[in-house]
Amino acid sequence: KNEVEQSPQNLTAQEGEFITINCSYSVGISALHWLQQHPGGGIVSLFMLSSGKKKHGRLIATINIQEKHSSLHITASHPRDSAVYICAAQWAGTASKLTFGTGTRLQVTL
Amino acid sequence: DTAVSQTPKYLVTQMGNDKSIKCEQNLGHDTMYWYKQDSKKFLKIMFSYNNKELIINETVPNRFSPKSPDKAHLNLHINSLELGDSAVYFCASSRGSYNSPLHFGNGTRLTVT
Repeated sequence: KNEVEQSPQNLTAQEGEFITINCSYSVGISALHWLQQHPGGGIVSLFMLSSGKKKHGRLIATINIQEKHSSLHITASHPRDSAVYICAAQWAGTASKLTFGTGTRLQVTL
Repeated sequence: DTAVSQTPKYLVTQMGNDKSIKCEQNLGHDTMYWYKQDSKKFLKIMFSYNNKELIINETVPNRFSPKSPDKAHLNLHINSLELGDSAVYFCASSRGSYNSPLHFGNGTRLTVT
């Protein structure tokens, strides 16, 4: 069964803190997506990766294929980073069918 | 310019009614999707079309019928609405069927009373 587990479920941090959100999945994925959903409801694709590491501004996504694990890091967190972060895995041969994690609700306070 | 636009943003209707949600993308993408997000914010794929052809059809009641008149549009029609259909429905698109980033619409919040 293709499963995606995400942790923590909820995370509160103070402005400036380094944040890590974790995602683990079962074998054989072809890509791992990180999405951001703001309180207003819109969903934005942050990263899609199949190996290594990607960086965009203060956001960094890493994936370890052997350990079947991906992390999303936020450096120097800011209240505007408050959102739900969702990882989603795509398995080889499943024609873009993503399986989603349950999301991590991040609240960054001043 | 809105990349993926869906209408309406909010839809409130009574049980038993039939309603449609429209989606259009101006990104030139080949693949479009419908996702359902439940009250716990859990996302699940419903349908996917590639160049107007259905490629993913999850276990969705046949009251839900997607229609893709061209590759820039994917509409969702729902017959005989039930209370359990209340959710946020997201349309999305991507360049291809495999390993391409998704671009989401802003969602349609459907409330069935």
